[in-house]
Amino acid sequence: EDQVTQSPEALRLQEGESSSLNCSYTVSGLRGLFWYRQDPGKGPEFLFTLYSAGEEKEKERLKATLTKKESFLHITAPKPEDSATYLCAVQAPFGAGGLRGSRLTFGEGTQLTVNP
Amino acid sequence: KAGVTQTPRYLIKTRGQQVTLSCSPISGHRSVSWYQQTPGQGLQFLFEYFSETQRNKGNFPGRFSGRQFSNSRSEMNVSTLELGDSALYLCASSLLLGTDTQYFGPGTRLTVL
Repeated sequence: EDQVTQSPEALRLQEGESSSLNCSYTVSGLRGLFWYRQDPGKGPEFLFTLYSAGEEKEKERLKATLTKKESFLHITAPKPEDSATYLCAVQAPFGAGGLRGSRLTFGEGTQLTVNP
Repeated sequence: KAGVTQTPRYLIKTRGQQVTLSCSPISGHRSVSWYQQTPGQGLQFLFEYFSETQRNKGNFPGRFSGRQFSNSRSEMNVSTLELGDSALYLCASSLLLGTDTQYFGPGTRLTVL
C-alpha cells in the first residue's frame, strides 16, 4: 500500500527565515511525486512534479528535490503570503487492464505560518 | 484557460438524504478524479473517470457513486448521507488517464446535519 508521511505537521517561521519541509514515501513503481499548496477553504494548487531521484525544480522562493525515499520542499526567505498548507502526493499506476489510471496518495500536509 | 469548476460550492443536507455534486474539467482534459478531504483522514481518493467509464475506485462504500458524460463533465452522488460524510469534495482533472498532473477545483463543502 502506498504511504506518504509529511513532517513537521506545523511550522512557524519568521519572514526571511529559510526552512525545509519533508515528505517520506513508500510506493510501488513511482510515476511522479507532486507538491501542492492549499489555502483555507480552497482546492490544492499545483506547484511541482518530480519524476526521478536527483531531480530538482524551482519556482520563486520554493525548490523541490527528490530522492528514492523522500522529497524536500525548501523555502528560501519566506514571506507571509507563503503561509498555507503544503501537500505532498505520490502517483503510481493503479488498476488493471490496458488503460491504468493514476490515483494520488496524499500526506497529511505541513501547515506553514510565516510571521511578518 | 478556465480552471476546474465545481458546483455547488456549499451544501447543507440532513442524514438520510442524497446529494449530487458537479465538476467541469479544464477544457480538453478527459480524465476526472474525485477526492474527499476531512480533517482526520486528509485527502482520500474516491474514483477516477475517463471516456465515460469509471477506471478506478477507492475504498469507499457503495453509497458513493459517480459518472462522466461525453463532454468529460462529471458528477458524483452520495446516497443515504451520514454525519461522517461531511467533508470538502474535490474534483481534479488531467489531460489523459494515467498521465501526470492533476489540477484541482475549489471543492464543494458538504455539511450533513
